[in-house]
Amino acid sequence: GQQLNQSPQSMFIQEGEDVSMNCTSSSIFNTWLWYKQDPGEGPVLLIALYKAGELTSNGRLTAQFGITRKDSFLNISASIPSDVGIYFCAGQLSSGGSNYKLTFGKGTLLTVNP
Amino acid sequence: ETGVTQTPRHLVMGMTNKKSLKCEQHLGHNAMYWYKQSAKKPLELMFVYNFKEQTENNSVPSRFSPECPNSSHLFLHLHTLQPEDSALYLCASSPRTHVAKNIQYFGAGTRLSVL
Repeated sequence: GQQLNQSPQSMFIQEGEDVSMNCTSSSIFNTWLWYKQDPGEGPVLLIALYKAGELTSNGRLTAQFGITRKDSFLNISASIPSDVGIYFCAGQLSSGGSNYKLTFGKGTLLTVNP
Repeated sequence: ETGVTQTPRHLVMGMTNKKSLKCEQHLGHNAMYWYKQSAKKPLELMFVYNFKEQTENNSVPSRFSPECPNSSHLFLHLHTLQPEDSALYLCASSPRTHVAKNIQYFGAGTRLSVL
């Protein structure tokens, strides 16, 4: 089955620094999603990408859908303490008319030191 | 608030108990999902419902029994669970399974501990 490699597994940074994380897949997707999960909560959608090469921003967050359709990255600029959490990438591929199966990465745990 | 509400938020049960998890969505969606999230593992899809019909059972043991009485409500009935079933159980909803841009929105989860 499809697998996603998400890296890094964890990051420990100083407030104000920029952060970059990425996901690579063994096969193509036609949608990439980035979620953030705070402790004790469910994943919250940050950015959705639908087209190869697409670059989308949401405030200090920027994500890109790789040209090969097998990768995506997420950048966070000027990190703040509330950016702490686990960031998940997820890929989705339409199959047989259905469009719901998400393949998730294992997550990147981000810690921001004030 | 994501529009998907799960209750209870925490549950401790013995292996012989029967309990149920509840999920309700206020987004007007027609597809609902159950996921299991264990430490250091990717989210695992368990069940999918589209317009109240189950469209996927991802080889889940029969001690987990889902129920979807309508498009807004989803239950997960639990009985004779094992300690390794302890995890965060997440519910999600999306517009419907056969549509482009089918984004899933998650609830806060139920943290389940099986003793």
